[in-house]
Amino acid sequence: RKEVEQDPGPFNVPEGATVAFNCTYSNSASQSFFWYRQDCRKEPKLLMSVYSSGNEDGRFTAQLNRASQYISLLIRDSKLSDSATYLCVVKTGGFKTIFGAGTRLFVKA
Amino acid sequence: ETGVTQSPTHLIKTRGQQVTLRCSSQSGHNTVSWYQQALGQGPQFIFQYYREEENGRGNFPPRFSGLQFPNYSSELNVNALELDDSALYLCASSSEGWATDTQYFGPGTRLTVL
Repeated sequence: RKEVEQDPGPFNVPEGATVAFNCTYSNSASQSFFWYRQDCRKEPKLLMSVYSSGNEDGRFTAQLNRASQYISLLIRDSKLSDSATYLCVVKTGGFKTIFGAGTRLFVKA
Repeated sequence: ETGVTQSPTHLIKTRGQQVTLRCSSQSGHNTVSWYQQALGQGPQFIFQYYREEENGRGNFPPRFSGLQFPNYSSELNVNALELDDSALYLCASSSEGWATDTQYFGPGTRLTVL
């Protein structure tokens, strides 16, 4: 079993749709959680950190469920510019950072 | 932009050769992590340097080695290149060596091994 698992997609949605991504992790000692966005042939860029209380940044909402060991990302009112690969990232104590393989999103006009 | 720079942008090598990749961290950051990203995969952690010392390592063989300099810039060296080493190599800088800090990525070096 992979340490961090994501649905690879692709998710094909129309503009204005709401789309949700899930990510599961295997190490219950994991401490920090993030969502990164990666455009084709570019570097990953931080989208948002994920907190147990949940957090929202505009159209993006992230949730963490420690008991079930999963993280989610919800995108409301999808824009064409949201098309990208979304990477789930989990950090355990110290240096260890594990990336999921990513979920591809295509938003269509 | 993150302020993290990498050089070169692209590189083509042949099997058995050696390569050195470079990374300049964001101002104020003392930690650099290196990742390998194969096509269609997420980045895989290679190692991390904190204040000029290796702070941890992923599942990569010893032919992957690195350095961090007093100005916190870093190098990744790969010896005896193999075809499977073809990938995007990313460095990320952060301000501390521990779990909770956010990493900021450079644009990457795309290495092709023929």
